[in-house]
Amino acid sequence: DAGVIQSPRHEVTEMGQEVTLRCKPISGHDYLFWYRQTMMRGLELLIYFNNNVPIDDSGMPEDRFSAKMPNASFSTLKIQPSEPRDSAVYFCASSGNRAGSPLHFGNGTRLTVT
Amino acid sequence: TQLLEQSPQFLSIQEGENLTVYCNSSSVFSSLQWYRQEPGEGPVLLVTVVTGGEVKKLKRLTFQFGDARKDSSLHITAAQPGDTGLYLCAGDFWTNAGKSTFGDGTTLTVKP
Repeated sequence: DAGVIQSPRHEVTEMGQEVTLRCKPISGHDYLFWYRQTMMRGLELLIYFNNNVPIDDSGMPEDRFSAKMPNASFSTLKIQPSEPRDSAVYFCASSGNRAGSPLHFGNGTRLTVT
Repeated sequence: TQLLEQSPQFLSIQEGENLTVYCNSSSVFSSLQWYRQEPGEGPVLLVTVVTGGEVKKLKRLTFQFGDARKDSSLHITAAQPGDTGLYLCAGDFWTNAGKSTFGDGTTLTVKP
């Protein structure tokens, strides 16, 4: 089991550029979550999918953020255009279908927008 | 909106000391998880508690779920430098099926 795989590990970009973060969940997991972590706000849920369908995107901060899950093994989180306040660590996590199943996190993408 | 409050926010102790961190909510959890996160990594699950009053032990770590399922505690006996990290509780609520709400975490530093 390779775990949840995120890429890239680090991303440095200039304000206004498009950023795409990628995630491969654990095979067989039905849920996929995108979180953002900052010192000020802690771990925030941005959006989650069940069986590739977005269920709740109320945590997505603005229209600049979008997420897709074209198939069960791949998801992207896109920020366009990026702003310095988007700088954070972005985590992808997946979990099984059973209620209360724990989350398995990737190692995150550290995004710095200058 | 269900909120989880963790305390203390920061804790710095000497190796060998005992400590307890807390996770509280005004709402009833359907289940609760504790995670530990080390720098540069994602949170890793330590335990899941489901039943009110439940106590689970993981080596020197003892997890307790409140009888009313609104609070939980994590007690570490004889802390070691390897216990250093961010401890997060995450609650599942009946009205938010499928997603967990995270507390802000307790940053623990154990000095040798």
